[in-house]
Amino acid sequence: GENVEQHPSTLSVQEGDSAVIKCTYSDSASNYFPWYKQELGKRPQLIIDIRSNVGEKKDQRIAVTLNKTAKHFSLHITETQPEDSAVYFCAASDAGGTSYGKLTFGQGTILTVHP
Amino acid sequence: EPEVTQTPSHQVTQMGQEVILRCVPISNHLYFYWYRQILGQKVEFLVSFYNNEISEKSEIFDDQFSVERPDGSNFTLKIRSTKLEDSAMYFCASARKTRSSYNEQFFGPGTRLTVL
Repeated sequence: GENVEQHPSTLSVQEGDSAVIKCTYSDSASNYFPWYKQELGKRPQLIIDIRSNVGEKKDQRIAVTLNKTAKHFSLHITETQPEDSAVYFCAASDAGGTSYGKLTFGQGTILTVHP
Repeated sequence: EPEVTQTPSHQVTQMGQEVILRCVPISNHLYFYWYRQILGQKVEFLVSFYNNEISEKSEIFDDQFSVERPDGSNFTLKIRSTKLEDSAMYFCASARKTRSSYNEQFFGPGTRLTVL
């Protein structure tokens, strides 16, 4: 089955700096890669996703890149703000294949943005 | 904006007791999921449900677990005889479509299950 590895486990940055979180996946059939933000005690919220037919996607201060050959994808947050502090999870899914879209999650990254 | 809802928010039970966790998915969604998250760990897939039947389940989802969609709106997870290691946050998620397109899964707020 799919295995997703996420690094780093913790990331501390100063406000205004950029943050990068990286994930690798093992199953070449995976074709959908969402990123979720989870604040303490709250539900995971989808912040951005990328599909295997594109290499990069951007939404304001957030961008995701995908390298299918190397089987890795990354989340980039620019101009970080204290409200970006949360746990970020990457996930992979074989949407549309034999799997009914189950998400396999990475271990999570605790991002702390210091004012 | 419609959201997935879950009840109760927190359930405390004794080991060996049965619990039922309830979810109301977004109304036009067709694919339903349960995930769990043990404190401080990653979110883990339990089961997916489509067209009134289980479509996939993980190794965690053993005979003690069952899911049901008893009516047009609710989606339930039952744990027949709870164990200490079942203590976790349980998230329900729903998606509009997946087999022939990519799916965005929307998560509920979770039910924190504590087994004593």
